[in-house]
Amino acid sequence: GESVGLHLPTLSVQEGDNSIINCAYSNSASDYFIWYKQESGKGPQFIIDIRSNMDKRQGQRVTVLLNKTVKHLSLQIAATQPGDSAVYFCAEKPHGNAGNMLTFGGGTRLMVKP
Amino acid sequence: DAMVIQNPRYQVTQFGKPVTLSCSQTLNHNVMYWYQQKSSQAPKLLFHYYDKDFNNEADTPDNFQSRRPNTSFCFLDIRSPGLGDAAMYLCATSTSGWNYGYTFGSGTRLTVV
Repeated sequence: GESVGLHLPTLSVQEGDNSIINCAYSNSASDYFIWYKQESGKGPQFIIDIRSNMDKRQGQRVTVLLNKTVKHLSLQIAATQPGDSAVYFCAEKPHGNAGNMLTFGGGTRLMVKP
Repeated sequence: DAMVIQNPRYQVTQFGKPVTLSCSQTLNHNVMYWYQQKSSQAPKLLFHYYDKDFNNEADTPDNFQSRRPNTSFCFLDIRSPGLGDAAMYLCATSTSGWNYGYTFGSGTRLTVV
């Protein structure tokens, strides 16, 4: 059968609270970053992206912060809802069409308690 | 709605028996990718097609092959599945622009018995 995977870090929050999910990326040449949400048994779903010329971008209930100095990315979810429960992956991409490969970081499991 | 469709959602195959997973897209994206995702792990890129050009990742086993007969379809062939190949297989598409993310299908869960 399937080999046992790594244990995902888990963030457990109360419904209505804000959530912050962190990601450290490794490639200093990366200049485009994406957060994906993956629910059980489904493919990753795009949430929000940010280019390296920005340090903050806001969407509906979500904010992504980028700190290029320490190569850190975070996803903030406001007023977390049960439907936000999922695994969240950050992904990075280096500049240029030839390097159009998205590399995923390790995921974080978000559990929302009602 | 434009989307990426993977069939089947669940596939059970016997150890060593060739299996093919399929992916189709209506987005007219020129790049298509196959990822392998094992439990509690990030998706791992196996290979991608940039138009008709096939690009294999260095650590993708020879057991995995792919075909892209046209823009809309891409297939993943596993020639001799082993127990370690049991995983979720994800197809994704993108344009060739650098600042666009990927659109993923719902995946095919492969079980090897």
